[in-house]
Amino acid sequence: QVQLVQSGAEVRKPGSSVKVSCQASGGTFSTYAIGWIRQAPGQGLEWMGGIIPIFGTTNYAQKFQDRVTITADDSSNTAYMELSNLTSEDTAMYFCARAFHIFYNWFDPWGQGTLVTVS
Amino acid sequence: DIQMTQSPSSLSASVGDRVTITCQASQHITNHLNWYQQKPGKAPKLLIFDASNLESGVPSRFSGSGSGTDFTFTISSLQPEDFATYYCQQYDNVPIFGPGTKVDIK
Repeated sequence: QVQLVQSGAEVRKPGSSVKVSCQASGGTFSTYAIGWIRQAPGQGLEWMGGIIPIFGTTNYAQKFQDRVTITADDSSNTAYMELSNLTSEDTAMYFCARAFHIFYNWFDPWGQGTLVTVS
Repeated sequence: DIQMTQSPSSLSASVGDRVTITCQASQHITNHLNWYQQKPGKAPKLLIFDASNLESGVPSRFSGSGSGTDFTFTISSLQPEDFATYYCQQYDNVPIFGPGTKVDIK
């Protein structure tokens, strides 16, 4: 049963960047799409983008296209999401999640989330 | 982008009640619609995929239906562990989540 384990909470200053990791264990990594979804405090879920590790292809939501970079390292079964030019509005819980196949269809399992605070 | 709406935004119900949540897409999305449950401080959990398919291990009191633009999620008999927020999510193109429906105790 695959599990996704994310890196720990981060605090950043406005204008800086943050890089969050998501490591898969117990299952296949590269042949599934990995998505990144964020949730601001008290708000809903927002898809940021994703990567298909076996192809290295990425897909970004238009809102984040200029500020987000998603990468993957097959050798360590780890995906990364880097968000730049942070503002207080980027304070949120950031989740990674594995899609069912190489398409961004449904997401299961999810990582535990990484809280990023911009202050 | 496709817009997703959910109704109601919140509801209060009692254990044993039948609960129905609707989700509407701004464009036709065939059956590309999923449902998640999220409890406070936790990651979302997949319940239903492709509108009506129950994820493995999910209790049968949860069900989904619909196609095109209109979808329904039902809990046939609400249990204490079901108080949570429920989200629909379409994947006709990029994944987009609905705004959520909070189910709390009456």
